[in-house]
Amino acid sequence: GDSVTQMEGPVTLSEEAFLTINCTYTATGYPSLFWYVQYPGEGLQLLLKATKADDKGSNKGFEATYRKETTSFHLEKGSVQVSDSAVYFCALERRDSSYKLIFGSGTRLLVRP
Amino acid sequence: KAGVTQTPRYLIKTRGQQVTLSCSPISGHRSVSWYQQTPGQGLQFLFEYFSETQRNKGNFPGRFSGRQFSNSRSEMNVSTLELGDSALYLCASSSVAGANNEQFFGPGTRLTVL
Repeated sequence: GDSVTQMEGPVTLSEEAFLTINCTYTATGYPSLFWYVQYPGEGLQLLLKATKADDKGSNKGFEATYRKETTSFHLEKGSVQVSDSAVYFCALERRDSSYKLIFGSGTRLLVRP
Repeated sequence: KAGVTQTPRYLIKTRGQQVTLSCSPISGHRSVSWYQQTPGQGLQFLFEYFSETQRNKGNFPGRFSGRQFSNSRSEMNVSTLELGDSALYLCASSSVAGANNEQFFGPGTRLTVL
């Protein structure tokens, strides 16, 4: 079945460091791909999305490119801030009738000053 | 525009009891989905409602049920609670059901089963 695999955390970085969180997926067809962020005590917020191959989603300095050939959607940011500390979830949306989101296990990011 | 609201935010129940959680979607949104978040299983899809009809259901036992009202508000019910039902239950709404419609998540209801 469809699935999403994320790198395990926690990822600990110093402020202004470069961030990469790996995400790969398995799916039939061509799903839409998403990154969601969850801050402590809150629900999920959509960070960025890409709906087809080679699309690049971007928001708040974060970027991810839909790579069909490697079935990947890695999240990157050039310079992280303490306020980026959160849990990041990669997800795909099935293109069958369900349209439900399938999430990865989440990666906790901790940015130290 | 107000976001997705969920009530209550926290619940403590004992095994065998039942519980009802409520979700009010963003005004104008007609699709509501529910997800269970646990440390062990991560985020898992429970079900989706659109226009008062359950469109999809995840792989959960029949103790988990839900419904949607004509104003799009949704409730989920868990009967005969088990310790493993302790989780954060997240509700998400979107304007319509279908691909590429952004789902907006509420803050969740944290259920603890003792």
